[in-house]
Amino acid sequence: QVQLVESGGGVVQPGRSLRLSCAASGFTFSSYGMHWVRQGPGKGLEWVAFISYDGSNKYYADSVKGRFTISRDNFKNTLYLQMNSLRAEDTAVFYCAKDGTVGASYHFDYWGQGTLVTVSS
Amino acid sequence: SYELTQPPSVSVSPGQTASITCSGDKLGDKYACWYQQKPGQSPVLVIYQDSKRPSGIPERFSGSNSANTATLTISGTQAMDEADYYCQAWDSSTVIFGGGTKLAVL
Repeated sequence: QVQLVESGGGVVQPGRSLRLSCAASGFTFSSYGMHWVRQGPGKGLEWVAFISYDGSNKYYADSVKGRFTISRDNFKNTLYLQMNSLRAEDTAVFYCAKDGTVGASYHFDYWGQGTLVTVSS
Repeated sequence: SYELTQPPSVSVSPGQTASITCSGDKLGDKYACWYQQKPGQSPVLVIYQDSKRPSGIPERFSGSNSANTATLTISGTQAMDEADYYCQAWDSSTVIFGGGTKLAVL
């Protein structure tokens, strides 16, 4: 069965960096685009970034462009999110999510359990 | 930037039909999908490509999308359907979520 397990969250000071990981299993990771989605405390879902199956295409939300970098290692079946210059408003649960179809369809058929990032001094 | 608008809350009696709308400019020209999220849990895809149900999603969940509005319909609503529901679409290399609708089964 498909499993997505995020890690790397924690408490970090404003301006510092953090790297999230998402270990994938149960499907052919190298065939699917992957996404990061976040949810602030008591708030709705916010898409963060997308990476295509081979890493050749990457898209970002305006709110994180220039600060966050999405990447993947298809040999390790792992998705990453490098977050720099963190702000208080980045505090959220971060989910990794699998794209629904080979290629990309931009809907998410599987989600991880999420990892909490808290940006606070 | 593209926006999707949902009502903040919808109420329904058990056994009745709940309809949750999602509005966006020419949304019918794009694919819409819907997620259910219960407190403390990750979202679950309940409708994709306007009207398709993933395996394991009950038949009482259905979707439509036309003109400027996508609609999630839950027929014979059950207490277990009480949750937040989010619509989502894709536009210009960006994924957009609606603000979410809290469905209360009263």
